[in-house]
Amino acid sequence: DIQMTQSPSTLSASVGERVTLTCRASQSIGTWLAWYQQKPGKAPKLLIHKASTLDTGVPSRFSGSGSGTEFTLTISSLQPDDFATYYCQQYNSYSLTFGPGTKVDIK
Amino acid sequence: QITLKESGPTLVKPTQTLTLTCSFSGFSLTTSGVGVGWIRQPPGKALEWLAVIYWNDDKRYSPPLKSRLTITKDNSRNQVVLTMTNMDPLDTATYYCTHSSLVDRGPIPDSWGQGTLVTVSS
Repeated sequence: DIQMTQSPSTLSASVGERVTLTCRASQSIGTWLAWYQQKPGKAPKLLIHKASTLDTGVPSRFSGSGSGTEFTLTISSLQPDDFATYYCQQYNSYSLTFGPGTKVDIK
Repeated sequence: QITLKESGPTLVKPTQTLTLTCSFSGFSLTTSGVGVGWIRQPPGKALEWLAVIYWNDDKRYSPPLKSRLTITKDNSRNQVVLTMTNMDPLDTATYYCTHSSLVDRGPIPDSWGQGTLVTVSS
């Protein structure tokens, strides 16, 4: 099975800051990677798929990059609505796996 | 507009079988490439993918849970049912129903239900 790791586990940042979250796969997954945002008590929301394709309606301050085993999610200028937990997910196979998440909180 | 809603018991006893129903609208599970799946999240923990069923009745299961899971669909009622046998307190989680489209974004969940919390306790 493909294992996913994320770093850091928690990130404290201020509004307006540029933040970068990292996701690593235990083996190459090409660009078959998605990013989700989850707020407390809510279902996750798809932000990015195919490593770098922004989903419909997602603000352009979000961007994704990477391929193979290392991926990043960047928020160019953190907004109050962005404080949440972010999960990466691989879909190299039909057996999907998620990372443990990165919580972005207010500094 | 795609909507999904989970229903089922909120409390089950250890060793019992859990049956969850996903009722959906805004798409058809007879459309080529469409899938409906289940993902769970224990309180305060990460997401875990469980299973998916596709328009052609192809079914995929999480390898560690495969022996305990069954997923079925009822196209006439726009419903998908997940059963999980031999429930354990470690199965306490919010269970989400999801939509995916192999044609659009691949097997990834792109729409989610609100989730239903299932507690396993005697």
